[in-house]
Amino acid sequence: GAGVSQSPSNKVTEKGKDVELRCDPISGHTALYWYRQSLGQGLEFLIYFQGNSAPDKSGLPSDRFSAERTGGSVSTLTIQRTQQEDSAVYLCASSFSPQQVPSGGYTFGSGTRLTVV
Amino acid sequence: GQNIDQPTEMTATEGAIVQINCTYQTSGFNGLFWYQQHAGEAPTFLSYNVLDGLEEKGRFSSFLSRSKGYSYLLLKELQMKDSASYLCAVRGYSGGYQKVTFGTGTKLQVIP
Repeated sequence: GAGVSQSPSNKVTEKGKDVELRCDPISGHTALYWYRQSLGQGLEFLIYFQGNSAPDKSGLPSDRFSAERTGGSVSTLTIQRTQQEDSAVYLCASSFSPQQVPSGGYTFGSGTRLTVV
Repeated sequence: GQNIDQPTEMTATEGAIVQINCTYQTSGFNGLFWYQQHAGEAPTFLSYNVLDGLEEKGRFSSFLSRSKGYSYLLLKELQMKDSASYLCAVRGYSGGYQKVTFGTGTKLQVIP
């Protein structure tokens, strides 16, 4: 598509429920990243995909968080048994790989604002 | 690992010039980015530096010194719409892969 699309834009969930956040990257972008931004904070790296594989999962805060990417395109971030501290804006970004376009800046989606009550 | 420092907040006057500094530590440095983020919106790409020197793009310029682990973003002829957070991000190697790490951002307030 023309831009990075994320859904839902807003999600309110009860503590303990599972949620799925979706990211549809720009067509042709092989790299995909998930970040989390808490209110007034910077971007916290969660996970990076190159194609369908995730060489860097170091930012996932706990085993309640998982992500997958299929067909080198859409990615889903799943949070199980949500906690109130999971409340944040979850941002997805995609880019050409650094090898393809060294200066390829990320294009971010508009994010999913998750509120756990 | 990677470490990025930038001021938390700055205030500047409309029409003036402001310089936002960023210092970093990283292994395998491979580029520095500046992003602009308006409140409630996603970050948007401003600039990219991989070699030492100044890159100018309209009212915005970005400077890099790799030996000093230092960059700045220079905004000229400030406009009210420039009020936003400015994020410094560094690409380096971590665990055998290239990884971009963002700073916490500098919140710039432009006043009349």
